[in-house]
Amino acid sequence: GENVEQHPSTLSVQEGDSAVIKCTYSDSASNYFPWYKQELGKGPQLIIDIRSNVGEKKDQRIAVTLNKTAKHFSLHITETQPEDSAVYFCAAPFTGGGNKLTFGTGTQLKVEL
Amino acid sequence: SQTIHQWPATLVQPVGSPLSLECTVEGTSNPNLYWYRQAAGRGLQLLFYSVGIGQISSEVPQNLSASRPQDRQFILSSKKLLLSDSGFYLCAWSGRGWGTEMPQHFGDGTRLSIL
Repeated sequence: GENVEQHPSTLSVQEGDSAVIKCTYSDSASNYFPWYKQELGKGPQLIIDIRSNVGEKKDQRIAVTLNKTAKHFSLHITETQPEDSAVYFCAAPFTGGGNKLTFGTGTQLKVEL
Repeated sequence: SQTIHQWPATLVQPVGSPLSLECTVEGTSNPNLYWYRQAAGRGLQLLFYSVGIGQISSEVPQNLSASRPQDRQFILSSKKLLLSDSGFYLCAWSGRGWGTEMPQHFGDGTRLSIL
């Protein structure tokens, strides 16, 4: 089945700096890659996703890039703010489809003042 | 707009007791429904998946079961809870993509502690 690896597990940045989280996947047929933000005690919230027919997608301070050849995708957060502090998860579809996702192990992002 | 509700938010149960967690979705019809478990500091593990009323797929062998008695209602159950059932349980829904992956949207979860 699909294997998703996420790095780093923790990331600390100064307010205003950029943060980058990377994920790799194993199934070359995967075509959909969402990113979720989870705040303490809450469920994950979809913040951005990308499909395999594009290499980059941007939404204000958040962007996702996809390299299909290398089978990795990254989340970029620019001008970080304290409210960006949370756990971020990447995901990729299960091998064989069915609209099921395999999640990475998460990155704890801390934005320091 | 679509909303998803889970309850209760927190639950403390003794070992060996039964369990029933409920999830309902509003504002959509024929959703795919999912139950996930999240251990502390870990990622999300898919437990059950449903494409319609009475249609349940189990992704991992375990002490839990799921049912979908109505189109937008998904229930997670156990007859006898184990200590290892402790965790954060999340329900999610997605639309039908018919060959295209659709985003999943999560509820705010139930924190289950087994004593």
